[in-house]
Amino acid sequence: SAVISQKPSRDICQRGTSLTIQCQVDSQVTMMFWYRQQPGQSLTLIATANQGSEATYESGFVIDKFPISRPNLTFSTLTVSNMSPEDSSIYLCSVLGTGGKYGYTFGSGTRLTVV
Amino acid sequence: RKEVEQDPGPFNVPEGATVAFNCTYSNSASQSFFWYRQDCRKEPKLLMSVYSSGNEDGRFTAQLNRASQYISLLIRDSKLSDSATYLCVGLMDSSYKLIFGSGTRLLVRP
Repeated sequence: SAVISQKPSRDICQRGTSLTIQCQVDSQVTMMFWYRQQPGQSLTLIATANQGSEATYESGFVIDKFPISRPNLTFSTLTVSNMSPEDSSIYLCSVLGTGGKYGYTFGSGTRLTVV
Repeated sequence: RKEVEQDPGPFNVPEGATVAFNCTYSNSASQSFFWYRQDCRKEPKLLMSVYSSGNEDGRFTAQLNRASQYISLLIRDSKLSDSATYLCVGLMDSSYKLIFGSGTRLLVRP
C-alpha cells in the first residue's frame, strides 16, 4: 500500500490565522481525500482533492474555509483558513492507490489546536 | 439518520472472550464495506473488507447481510492488543468516498 507523509503532525495556532497541511505520497494515487475527526467523533469527509481541478466539497464544507490544492498525483494540501477554536480537530488525508479500490491508506493525521 | 450506525460501546471483555460488533447502514448505494481499526491517537487502519459471502481472517470474521443492511464483526479469543475503536465503513462506489460509522470502542482486560 501507499506510504503517506503528512505534516505537520500537530500545531497550536492563534485564532484568525491559517494553517496549511501537506500530504505527500510515495507513489501516484488515483484519488486523495481530506477528513476531519473532532474529539471523540468519527471521521467526516471534507472534500475529494482532484488533480488539476477544484476539489469536490461535502455538505457543510466550503472552499473559502478549506482551500485544497492537488498539483499532481502524489501531493495535496489542505488549508484551514481564518481559524477559530471550533476548528480544533485532527485532519487526515487518505489516498486510494492504483492497485484497487480497496487500497485506502490514511496519513498519520495533523492534530490542530486553535487558541 | 446517520448513513452508517454503530453501538459506541465501550465493550469491556476479559481476555479470551468472543465479542461481536454490529453496524447498520441506510444508503443502499453503498456497495462495499470495511472494518477499520483505530488505536488511540493513531490513524485508522484497514482491518478487513466485508463481503456478502462473509470472510474470515484468523480470529476475525465479518458478515454482510444486504437484505437487512447489516454488517457484523466477530472477534474470537480476544487479546489485550485488540483494545481499540472499530469503525464500520461504507464505500460509495460511484464516488469512491468512504462513509464512517461513529466507531465501537473495545476494551480487553487481563
